[in-house]
Amino acid sequence: EIVLTQSPGTLSLSPGDRATLSCRASQSVSGSYLAWYQQKPGQAPRLLIYGVSSRATGVPDRFSGSGSGTDFTLTISRLEPEDFAVYYCQQYGNSPPTFGQGTKVEIK
Amino acid sequence: EVQLLESGGGLAQPGGSLRLSCAASGFTFSTYAMNWVRQAPGKGLEWVSSISDGGGSTYYADSVKGRFTISRDNSKNTLSLQMNGLRADDTAVYYCASGDSSGWYPSSFDYWGQGTLVTVSS
Repeated sequence: EIVLTQSPGTLSLSPGDRATLSCRASQSVSGSYLAWYQQKPGQAPRLLIYGVSSRATGVPDRFSGSGSGTDFTLTISRLEPEDFAVYYCQQYGNSPPTFGQGTKVEIK
Repeated sequence: EVQLLESGGGLAQPGGSLRLSCAASGFTFSTYAMNWVRQAPGKGLEWVSSISDGGGSTYYADSVKGRFTISRDNSKNTLSLQMNGLRADDTAVYYCASGDSSGWYPSSFDYWGQGTLVTVSS
């Protein structure tokens, strides 16, 4: 199975800052089938990005995804107060689908 | 509006059973693959099981294979997870999640329910 490693584990930033989250796969992700999710405390995850760079319905354009092969990035251009949360990457190009361990974006 | 509402969680003894259900609305349930994803307390997300849109194909994580059974009733827009032989490490919030509009497996998890807590303890 493909192992996804996210870095950093925690990102301490201020509102208005740019956030760059990394997701590295143990082998190439087929078909660019990589997604990103946001999870706030006590809530279910929410799909942000699918297919590496396509935003899900209703996701603000300050969220963007990029990458290919084994290296992927989620960028939040300017952090809003509601963006402080845990973010997970997920690959669905190979079975089984797998998640990274998460990156927590916290207020500095 | 897409809604997924899980039920059936609770306390079970090691070796016991529980059946989770997920009621779906707001989308054409029968054209989407469906999934269960779990999250142990304070931990990350773990895919558990998936079922094709018609129900003819099922998929399981190695950690639950042979113990859990996923099923669906497209006439009632419901998804189920029968969990047998429960272990302490099955303790988690279980989320029902839709696949994407392709109907394929594997897929991204486009819509999520609020989750139901399963606790396995004596």
